[in-house]
Amino acid sequence: GQNIDQPTEMTATEGAIVQINCTYQTSGFNGLFWYQQHAGEAPTFLSYNVLDGLEEKGRFSSFLSRSKGYSYLLLKELQMKDSASYLCAVRASGGSYIPTFGRGTSLIVHP
Amino acid sequence: DADVTQTPRNRITKTGKRIMLECSQTKGHDRMYWYRQDPGLGLRLIYYSFDVKDINKGEISDGYSVSRQAQAKFSLSLESAIPNQTALYFCATSDTGTSGVGTDTQYFGPGTRLTVL
Repeated sequence: GQNIDQPTEMTATEGAIVQINCTYQTSGFNGLFWYQQHAGEAPTFLSYNVLDGLEEKGRFSSFLSRSKGYSYLLLKELQMKDSASYLCAVRASGGSYIPTFGRGTSLIVHP
Repeated sequence: DADVTQTPRNRITKTGKRIMLECSQTKGHDRMYWYRQDPGLGLRLIYYSFDVKDINKGEISDGYSVSRQAQAKFSLSLESAIPNQTALYFCATSDTGTSGVGTDTQYFGPGTRLTVL
């Protein structure tokens, strides 16, 4: 099985930078996803990492260290609309290849 | 128009009733999934299907059944609803891509909020 851990809640200030961490334990790693989910809405894809390093997409970046079982999502120049839950999902090799989701981190951005 | 649609969007029912939630997609994806989301528990996989003839149980399939009537349609049934099935239900699709496994990014429908009294 897999064990995925994320902080339950974080708060940050508009314009600031925030880092949301995700640690995981899995037997055979085959990719890590980050999704954004606004309250009452569908999750939407943000990023995918399968190799070590940083992937940058505009204000959002995602980092992966496979040896440490660790990823983070970095959000820069925070905006009020970034208030949402951020879901980390890990895919294991073998079997169905379907990602398992963590419980999500609720980010509150205040003025 | 939305690529992944779910009907109904909201449903209130009583214990013991049979309920069907429907999902349709126009993305042309082979893979379809049903998840439920409960506060503090994240998304949990109920059933998934990799093509029309393929049905697989997920993490929490007890009390649920599914039907993949066509590539574009995947329905979830609760044969006899119970209050602890009150949750937000999401359908999702993904594409294996050209490499077989590929990125397999999932695209979610808008969700169905089900309340069982």
